[in-house]
Amino acid sequence: AQTVTQSQPEMSVQEAETVTLSCTYDTSESDYYLFWYKQPPSRQMILVIRQEAYKQQNATENRFSVNFQKAAKSFSLKISDSQLGDAAMYFCAYEYNNNDMRFGAGTRLTVKP
Amino acid sequence: SQTIHQWPATLVQPVGSPLSLECTVEGTSNPNLYWYRQAAGRGLQLLFYSVGIGQISSEVPQNLSASRPQDRQFILSSKKLLLSDSGFYLCAWSEGYEQYFGPGTRLTVT
Repeated sequence: AQTVTQSQPEMSVQEAETVTLSCTYDTSESDYYLFWYKQPPSRQMILVIRQEAYKQQNATENRFSVNFQKAAKSFSLKISDSQLGDAAMYFCAYEYNNNDMRFGAGTRLTVKP
Repeated sequence: SQTIHQWPATLVQPVGSPLSLECTVEGTSNPNLYWYRQAAGRGLQLLFYSVGIGQISSEVPQNLSASRPQDRQFILSSKKLLLSDSGFYLCAWSEGYEQYFGPGTRLTVT
């Protein structure tokens, strides 16, 4: 069964600094999708970034980028120039087909001013 | 553009009472629809998904049921709530591999 592991329950970063959130997953599939979702205090789940497993190039969205290591089954999220609004729970998710998205337990990110 | 609505936003219900949570999507046709539950400080657990009207798949045996009476309407129900049903319920939709979430319903069973 596919599982997603986020080994950092909590992380903190100074405003304007860079932070990396870790995620590993377990799968026997070769073609799948990976996502990072952000859940601020409002609890609305917001898609931050996605990565297709068949693409070697790491995805980037403005200050957010990923380090996708397919062989190691690792998918970390780097947040550059951290802002106070980045404070939230961050969930890593894996999807093999349209109806099977698996989420990690989440990492709570605190941004210090 | 597509939008997803959930109501109510907050609900407090006694044990043994019925439940009905509603989710509607606008701006798209024949989306896949999902119900998730999030316990406090935890990740998301998929409860049900639907690929079309009247088509419901259950991921976890529950005190809950789901229905899709219309293309863009997804309902989560229970005949008798348990204390363990408390949590944050999220509805989501997708057309491809990305899922987009509603604002959620916070359910407290007392």
